Amino acid sequence: QQPVQSPQAVILREGEDAVINCSSSKALYSVHWYRQKHGEAPVFLMILLKGGEQKGHDKISASFNEKKQQSSLYLTASQLSYSGTYFCGTVLIGSSNTGKLIFGQGTTLQVKP
Amino acid sequence: DAGITQSPRHKVTETGTPVTLRCHQTENHRYMYWYRQDPGHGLRLIHYSYGVKDTDKGEVSDGYSVSRSKTEDFLLTLESATSSQTSVYFCAIGGQPAYEQYFGPGTRLTVT
Repeated sequence: QQPVQSPQAVILREGEDAVINCSSSKALYSVHWYRQKHGEAPVFLMILLKGGEQKGHDKISASFNEKKQQSSLYLTASQLSYSGTYFCGTVLIGSSNTGKLIFGQGTTLQVKP
Repeated sequence: DAGITQSPRHKVTETGTPVTLRCHQTENHRYMYWYRQDPGHGLRLIHYSYGVKDTDKGEVSDGYSVSRSKTEDFLLTLESATSSQTSVYFCAIGGQPAYEQYFGPGTRLTVT
């Protein structure tokens, strides 16, 4: 049930772009994206819901392919502050009334000057 | 930032002792969640609550119990702590199911 994230790790230079993918084997109601810096709590970035609704940061974009149960997070013109571990969390169709999140294992992003 | 605090922030305890972690929110959100985070496993849901006195199990609930007697407080209890429960515990709150969740600062628990 745990979604699979790829890549596991990525290293960028400032200004470069990155894509993080999240894939589930189950039908999804929503996909959430969080960023966590070392020693801190996860911070909400974006949510994509079945049917096309999205909420999140202006500078971060994402897509949700409902048929393939896949989501991608797009980080453009990366900044040093983008460094951290990115988690996708999925809410299955059957859990839409509870909000039970199942998280992927995370993608570590390091942005270098 | 959402008004959510956790206490204690750090705790060291011995195997076999009971431990209670507290999550307190000032946002009046209906939904509250307890997760544990371990290297290689990411974040895993322990228990959640969808209202006062309404709770249910998550994917790793064995050895844990919860209680919610007030909207603002969600308690996680380890009845008899084991070394496998050494972890970082995060509480999260949400206004609506399946929508964004906001995490507390976490509690680092070490069971010796």
